[in-house]
Amino acid sequence: AQSVSQHNHHVILSEAASLELGCNYSYGGTVNLFWYVQYPGQHLQLLLKYFSGDPLVKGIKGFEAEFIKSKFSFNLRKPSVQWSDTAEYFCAVTLNSGYSTLTFGKGTMLLVSP
Amino acid sequence: EPEVTQTPSHQVTQMGQEVILRCVPISNHLYFYWYRQILGQKVEFLVSFYNNEISEKSEIFDDQFSVERPDGSNFTLKIRSTKLEDSAMYFCASRAGTSTDTQYFGPGTRLTVL
Repeated sequence: AQSVSQHNHHVILSEAASLELGCNYSYGGTVNLFWYVQYPGQHLQLLLKYFSGDPLVKGIKGFEAEFIKSKFSFNLRKPSVQWSDTAEYFCAVTLNSGYSTLTFGKGTMLLVSP
Repeated sequence: EPEVTQTPSHQVTQMGQEVILRCVPISNHLYFYWYRQILGQKVEFLVSFYNNEISEKSEIFDDQFSVERPDGSNFTLKIRSTKLEDSAMYFCASRAGTSTDTQYFGPGTRLTVL
């Protein structure tokens, strides 16, 4: 069965710092990759997704992620974070078959101080 | 923008009682999901539903759980006899149709079993 690991459980940054959140998955076959975000008191929202094509994916709010197949990684980046980016970030995968069930990582709580 | 809605936002129940968690998926979506997140743990898949039947379920989704789409708009999760370990946040999600479609999540129902 596939699994997802996120390296950092808590990250604290100052505004304007650069962000990189690690995500690795384990599965030998073709996967689809996602980053979801959950702002305080809100529901899970899609930041970006990768299905095929250009491995560098751009999402909403200035986020991007790069799929590196050889490393089984899909790290999330943002060059300059804002206080409003304070949220929990979840990496997830689906298999390229079946009913697109999401397998999530444990999440990374990002706190951005003003 | 259409949203997935869930009711109630918080449900408190006694161990052994039945609970029904309700979801209204986005109206033209065809695939429906329930996930749960126990405090401090990963978001975990419970069940997927398509064409009025369960398409996939996890080992968590045992005989105590059932799902139903009673009227073409609601999608419910029933737990027949709740246990303390069922305390969690339960998320409903829906997806339009193709495998590349995004899953849209509801705000969740926090279930507390006493």
